[in-house]
Amino acid sequence: ETGVTQSPTHLIKTRGQQVTLRCSSQSGHNTVSWYQQALGQGPQFIFQYYREEENGRGNFPPRFSGLQFPNYSSELNVNALELDDSALYLCASSCLAYEQYFGPGTRLTVT
Amino acid sequence: GQNIDQPTEMTATEGAIVQINCTYQTSGFNGLFWYQQHAGEAPTFLSYNVLDGLEEKGRFSSFLSRSKGYSYLLLKELQMKDSASYLCAVVDSNYQLIWGAGTKLIIKP
Repeated sequence: ETGVTQSPTHLIKTRGQQVTLRCSSQSGHNTVSWYQQALGQGPQFIFQYYREEENGRGNFPPRFSGLQFPNYSSELNVNALELDDSALYLCASSCLAYEQYFGPGTRLTVT
Repeated sequence: GQNIDQPTEMTATEGAIVQINCTYQTSGFNGLFWYQQHAGEAPTFLSYNVLDGLEEKGRFSSFLSRSKGYSYLLLKELQMKDSASYLCAVVDSNYQLIWGAGTKLIIKP
């Protein structure tokens, strides 16, 4: 039991819509990282939040945005959904980059 | 650019030993992780190497050579439950994880 939770588990949206995914980090961890994982691929880094500030961003467009709250939980927002956004979205909590604990993920399907 | 290379797929026999290689080219290096990921599940931590050499943990061992940009994960006494994808990830100079695409390991009886 890692203590990292994500909601929802599964989500179906249509192209052009907006989505918000949520993550609760493990107790004592101040860093949350978000990843997109397409089927058969490794996780792709979206961005990382450290103490409520964005602490690095991968090669994703600005329609991917996020927040981290004072309790270190986090949200990932995606605007103007595209079909290629269909993937497993993983949240991981850690103390900086060390041993990231992953949540179960949110499976997003865009139709 | 940053690059992590792993074989796409490997097959091994139950009870045998398998070595999964990972080579990397990253902007800076602050350690290397191996994670296991079963289909449809989140990755789980296996090992972390930051100094050269071999780290042993039960049936799993991980090796690192920083000068060669190379690591391997060694799995001994393979069990059917070891069938999974194995992901190599490097911590770069910005303390962010750069991930390989993963190696799918298939165990046959």
